[in-house]
Amino acid sequence: SAVISQKPSRDICQRGTSLTIQCQVDSQVTMMFWYRQQPGQSLTLIATANQGSEATYESGFVIDKFPISRPNLTFSTLTVSNMSPEDSSIYLCSVGQQGIVFGSGTRLTVV
Amino acid sequence: QKEVEQNSGPLSVPEGAIASLNCTYSDRGSQSFFWYRQYSGKSPELIMSIYSNGDKEDGRFTAQLNKASQYVSLLIRDSQPSDSATYLCAVDNAGGTSYGKLTFGQGTILTVHP
Repeated sequence: SAVISQKPSRDICQRGTSLTIQCQVDSQVTMMFWYRQQPGQSLTLIATANQGSEATYESGFVIDKFPISRPNLTFSTLTVSNMSPEDSSIYLCSVGQQGIVFGSGTRLTVV
Repeated sequence: QKEVEQNSGPLSVPEGAIASLNCTYSDRGSQSFFWYRQYSGKSPELIMSIYSNGDKEDGRFTAQLNKASQYVSLLIRDSQPSDSATYLCAVDNAGGTSYGKLTFGQGTILTVHP
């Protein structure tokens, strides 16, 4: 299975600021996925990131709030913009190659 | 709305017993099914994947899939305290070129007590 390095692992941010989360995969993958896990909840898909095209967002998630970049087949970033306390969650990236695996997650707290 | 439902928890079993976790899904077109284990503060870890009807065994874990009933389960034999975690059922609805786009159940908290 692919190995994903995700950073930062955690951060505490002020409301109104933005945080960019990075995921690096040890092999080339066509698609990367970004999920959110709110406190005490399960995972919800935010968007699908394809290299060379704009990300596809799920209902309830918009590009202005969660811009995504996918500059090559091994790397992607998710930005959480203009943060509010409601954005406090764990954010995870995943890839679906020989089993769908997740990065280690970014625990975001907005104060 | 594609939904995935897991049996309500928490589930508590004694050490050495069989833990049974259940999951139903709404989309008949679903093709791939996964069980993840998530320890507190950690990211989900894939423990089983199943794609066709029947049973799939891996060590102490057995996944069962019944597409006609839209039902997938996970059995953990000889449960150990280290199995205590939240178990997440996930379904890949898209298949094909969008493999990896998962819908998750709400999770079942399993506690194995000595």
